[in-house]
Amino acid sequence: DTGVSQDPRHKITKRGQNVTFRCDPISEHNRLYWYRQTLGQGPEFLTYFQNEAQLEKSRLLSDRFSAERPKGSFSTLEIQRTEQGDSAMYLCASSLRGLVSDEQYFGPGTRLTVT
Amino acid sequence: SQQGEEDPQALSIQEGENATMNCSYKTSINNLQWYRQNSGRGLVHLILIRSNEREKHSGRLRVTLDTSKKSSSLLITASRAADTASYFCATDAGESNYQLIWGAGTKLIIKP
Repeated sequence: DTGVSQDPRHKITKRGQNVTFRCDPISEHNRLYWYRQTLGQGPEFLTYFQNEAQLEKSRLLSDRFSAERPKGSFSTLEIQRTEQGDSAMYLCASSLRGLVSDEQYFGPGTRLTVT
Repeated sequence: SQQGEEDPQALSIQEGENATMNCSYKTSINNLQWYRQNSGRGLVHLILIRSNEREKHSGRLRVTLDTSKKSSSLLITASRAADTASYFCATDAGESNYQLIWGAGTKLIIKP
């Protein structure tokens, strides 16, 4: 399967713990995106990488959230000191470079539950 | 905040009927995309329409875009049970940034 993969698929953690999610994009895609989605809502943009450079970050993103994409391949999203409000589906997507926004290919997501 | 707003929030039709859902947005855009999400396959891209296009077809899908009204519609013809899903429109912000802004989606149920 050459699609976008995410790991783990589910994560249950206690409030205050740190969690890290991984995303492996489609290999030839140089753009990578992280979104958060809560029940009944559309995805909410978190951050965007072109190759290894983090080019955009949502103003709504708390400083407890950090993302990396070393070597422009896989990416990790870390949430420190988790709160119950962080419970959501975390989606990763990748795309190929174009002049303007282009179609994105999504992974299955990581469902985070903070107890 | 979300730019796109889909209408209706939920739609239930008989298999074989056509389904139409609408999306409105607030700012100028470069393009508008429609995605489908179901529990089996996650979020899947359906179709992209650019701001200089008015209509686009892909199989049983027909998308229209009216930039003067800042609105788009997605028509699914001859619906099938497998079309049961949530449908989202997503737009960019129109200034060469790559952030997609999403609506809350239309939940479509196809009754057999």
